[in-house]
Amino acid sequence: KAGVTQTPRYLIKTRGQQVTLSCSPISGHRSVSWYQQTPGQGLQFLFEYFSETQRNKGNFPGRFSGRQFSNSRSEMNVSTLELGDSALYLCASSVLAGGPDTQYFGPGTRLTVL
Amino acid sequence: DQQVKQNSPSLSVQEGRISILNCDYTNSMFDYFLWYKKYPAEGPTFLISISSIKDKNEDGRFTVFLNKSAKHLSLHIVPSQPGDSAVYFCAASAGYKLSFGAGTTVTVRA
Repeated sequence: KAGVTQTPRYLIKTRGQQVTLSCSPISGHRSVSWYQQTPGQGLQFLFEYFSETQRNKGNFPGRFSGRQFSNSRSEMNVSTLELGDSALYLCASSVLAGGPDTQYFGPGTRLTVL
Repeated sequence: DQQVKQNSPSLSVQEGRISILNCDYTNSMFDYFLWYKKYPAEGPTFLISISSIKDKNEDGRFTVFLNKSAKHLSLHIVPSQPGDSAVYFCAASAGYKLSFGAGTTVTVRA
């Protein structure tokens, strides 16, 4: 079974631009979560989607948004990019939403904001 | 507010010996705990998990121990191998999201 895939793997943008990242979960997984990893902050939870609905959201500004499609694929959008948005963005999928369940991660998208 | 803490940023161990990684948490609502391993430029890889109703879970060379009263869990790797050199993240969940520790970099010396 194929793992979680994320595209693109690397991205370079300039301040003020916007960016869209894509995530395809493992087949049969309906929950998709997004995390930001930075050297100083570790992995920080952004949001989680299940059946096209955002179920939970972390402490990030409204510039960070996402959505999920009927096939469980998810996109994350960051508008008005700032230098501090440079990070590794990780997507994780799991079978269920809520309750104990293992999340499986994709390889991440490395975003660099210049 | 960091609810999951890994107080040792790094650990160096000789090949063949035991690696012990520690993790503390503050949220008593956490009911599921996981360990992930991460290589540079890759996503975290799931290693092992434990639910709050158990105090030990074993999978091959990896054993996770949970002490709920102390809000502490640990990962034991026996024996340590060079391929175990990576960053290890402890994570805990209470529903939808995972809260991660800052990670411990493990270096296995030949």
